[in-house]
Amino acid sequence: AAGVIQSPRHLIKEKRETATLKCYPIPRHDTVYWYQQGPGQDPQFLISFYEKMQSDKGSIPDRFSAQQFSDYHSELNMSSLELGDSALYFCASSLLSDTQYFGPGTRLTVL
Amino acid sequence: DQQVKQNSPSLSVQEGRISILNCDYTNSMFDYFLWYKKYPAEGPTFLISISSIKDKNEDGRFTVFLNKSAKHLSLHIVPSQPGDSAVYFCAASASSGTYKYIFGTGTRLKVLA
Repeated sequence: AAGVIQSPRHLIKEKRETATLKCYPIPRHDTVYWYQQGPGQDPQFLISFYEKMQSDKGSIPDRFSAQQFSDYHSELNMSSLELGDSALYFCASSLLSDTQYFGPGTRLTVL
Repeated sequence: DQQVKQNSPSLSVQEGRISILNCDYTNSMFDYFLWYKKYPAEGPTFLISISSIKDKNEDGRFTVFLNKSAKHLSLHIVPSQPGDSAVYFCAASASSGTYKYIFGTGTRLKVLA
């Protein structure tokens, strides 16, 4: 069965650079969630979209923005990267309130 | 403020025995709970869920128990297998919200052959 696809899987950036992470949800899923997992920490909710509209916002820095496109894929844009942004970024998709299925994650390293 | 807590960061169990992973939560609005399993360099994989209208849900070797009055849930794995070795996260959500998951801190399970 098709799963959530995230790209790239690994990304290395320098401080103050920008990064764009992409998420392709499971077909027919209408909701996308972004989570950030720092080293040794639990995943923290960042932001979610339902039917291309932002549905909730968590601990997402103002330097980050995200959107969901007409084909339901989502992009997380991160600017002015800081060392503390180094983390695993997971995208999950669901059919509204149903179980969220996670992608493999993007490992972002900021040097 | 950690709304979902897994107080045991690690657990070791002999193959064939029962593994019991615990999770406590503080927010009484949570009404849907899940367990995810995570291997290094992979995303969390859904294992089993339970709604607050139930106190038990079983799927093969995995059973989740929910004690609402104690705000406690547990995952039982019987029998434990070496392939079960991973980090297990419990997560909770509230249907009155937007279904975002609040994760616990994870428990690293090691099943010894």
